[in-house]
Amino acid sequence: GEDVEQSLFLSVREGDSSVINCTYTDSSSTYLYWYKQEPGAGLQLLTYIFSNMDMKQDQRLTVLLNKKDKHLSLRIADTQTGDSAIYFCAESRYSSASKIIFGSGTRLSIRP
Amino acid sequence: DAGVIQSPRHEVTEMGQEVTLRCKPISGHDYLFWYRQTMMQGLELLVYFNNKAVMDDSGMPKDRFSAKMPNASFSTLKIQPSEPRDSAVYFCASTPSGGYYGYTFGSGTRLTVV
Repeated sequence: GEDVEQSLFLSVREGDSSVINCTYTDSSSTYLYWYKQEPGAGLQLLTYIFSNMDMKQDQRLTVLLNKKDKHLSLRIADTQTGDSAIYFCAESRYSSASKIIFGSGTRLSIRP
Repeated sequence: DAGVIQSPRHEVTEMGQEVTLRCKPISGHDYLFWYRQTMMQGLELLVYFNNKAVMDDSGMPKDRFSAKMPNASFSTLKIQPSEPRDSAVYFCASTPSGGYYGYTFGSGTRLTVV
């Protein structure tokens, strides 16, 4: 199947770490992506990881990939109010590299 | 680069009217995608083009929707006749060949059909 699954909501206290999880079904996935959508805006590419990597770090963002379990996570350290958004997990596949499959998105809300 | 440009940003129309949404992809991007986003259905792929040719339009209701890409720098998504259930945000995105770079999305067109 073509499923990329995420939980719909996550609430985190300001200053804590946020961890957004994603599972995918196709073992031929090549690149995996995290997109951020702020209110009233389009999706913005946050970061991506190639499938032969386990981890990628970029400032406050850490992406972890467990290829055996087909599990991807995005950790945001020191979560700020500006991190409030919908986060989409997505994958592209060797068989159709230009067609990216998106998850349903996780809405991250920050509480004081 | 100005990014992917969509117009209009907002459109309010009456049921039964024709609506045309427009998109200018990033220069040099071979692929162009049209998505629809609603609260209920999330992000749905309607149609995508490679080098101006339709590759997959299986997500598009063909009785009322049509998509065209007359040249490499312009695409339209037309709805005729529009219905209230078409109310959504429509996004255009583009990417170079290979797609490994991810998509660049436009800011979207918010369509309201009353």
